[in-house]
Parts: sequence; structure tokens; C-alpha cells
Amino acid sequence: AQSVTQPDIHITVSEGASLELRCNYSYGATPYLFWYVQSPGQGLQLLLKYFSGDTLVQGIKGFEAEFKRSQSSFNLRKPSVHWSDAAEYFCAVAAANQAGTALIFGKGTTLSVSS
Amino acid sequence: KAGVTQTPRYLIKTRGQQVTLSCSPISGHRSVSWYQQTPGQGLQFLFEYFSETQRNKGNFPGRFSGRQFSNSRSEMNVSTLELGDSALYLCASSPPPGQGSYEQYFGPGTRLTVT
Repeated sequence: AQSVTQPDIHITVSEGASLELRCNYSYGATPYLFWYVQSPGQGLQLLLKYFSGDTLVQGIKGFEAEFKRSQSSFNLRKPSVHWSDAAEYFCAVAAANQAGTALIFGKGTTLSVSS
Repeated sequence: KAGVTQTPRYLIKTRGQQVTLSCSPISGHRSVSWYQQTPGQGLQFLFEYFSETQRNKGNFPGRFSGRQFSNSRSEMNVSTLELGDSALYLCASSPPPGQGSYEQYFGPGTRLTVT
């Protein structure tokens, strides 16, 4: 069965420091992978996506992610974190079949930014 | 383009009642998906509609139902509400096939509280 694991429930990073959020997936075919961000009381905003091709993908707000098939990972990175990046981050895989598409999400990682 | 809109944003209902939530997708998007988000279970897929037909369904009881109209707007209904139905209900729309159709764009959600 498809699944997504985000091993870190909560991470605290100093403002200006680098960030890496981990994501591991389990999916039989070529995965379509996403990172979303959710601020308190808000919906999910798409940060970036991987469908195929270059394994390093760039997203909005200065985020990037690297797809590593051998490690079944799709980790999110940012070189310098800003206080406004504090939010909850979700990794997801698109489980697509003839019937349609559903996103399977990890449990999320809450990012706190300290000054 | 306007984003996905959901109404109402907040709702308080009593056990045993029923509720209807509404979602308007991004213009041109014909696929609408619904998700339930709770602290315990995280984000879970409810169902997906495309061209007024349900084409994918998650593992939820029959009390949860939905429909889609010819203008792609969608509603979901929960009958005989239980305390455990308290959650943030998120709607997402997807671009047409061939235009990044695996990615989903989320609305702000409807916060349902069942007392």
C-alpha cells in the first residue's frame, strides 16, 4: 500500500539557518510527489512538485526538494529560514489509478523558527 | 485566477444533525477532491469528483457523500453527525488532464465542530 512517512513531528530552527525536512514514501510505480505548507487556520499551499526529469526541483518561497529513488525520499530544503516559514509542512504522493487520483499525506512536520 | 473557495468557513452542529459544505474550484478545473483533517488521523482522502461523477472514494462510512454540478462546483454532505466528525474539511481542485492534473490546489477549508 502507498504511504508517506515524515519522521520528524516538530523541528525548531534558528532564523537564518538552513532547513531540511525529511519525507519517505512507499509507492510501487513512479511517484508523483508534492510538498505543501499549512499556516494555522489555513488551507494547504503547494510549495513544489516532482513528476519526472530533474531530481532537484525548485519551488516557491525559496524551497527546493530532491527526489532520491534509491532512498525512496523526497526531502525539502531551504538555505536560510525566515520567521514567516513557521508552519506545518506536509509531504504527499499522488496515488493514481484508472479511477482517479488521491493524495496520500504524511502526518506533517511542524516547523518553529527561533530568533 | 481566483482560488478554490469554500463555504461556510466555520460551522457548529449538534450530534445527529446533517451538514452540507460547498466548494467552488478554480475556473477551468473539473476535478474536485475532498479531504478530512483531524489532529489524530491527519489528512485523509474522502472522495473525488470529475464531470459530475464520483470516480474515487476513500475509506469513510456512507454517512459521507458528495456531488458535483455541471459548473464543477461540489458539495459534500455528512448525515447523522458524530462528535468524531469534528474536523477541518478541505476541498481541492485539479487542472484538466495533460496540464499537471495530478497536482491539487486547496481551499481554506470549512471548520466543522460537532457538539
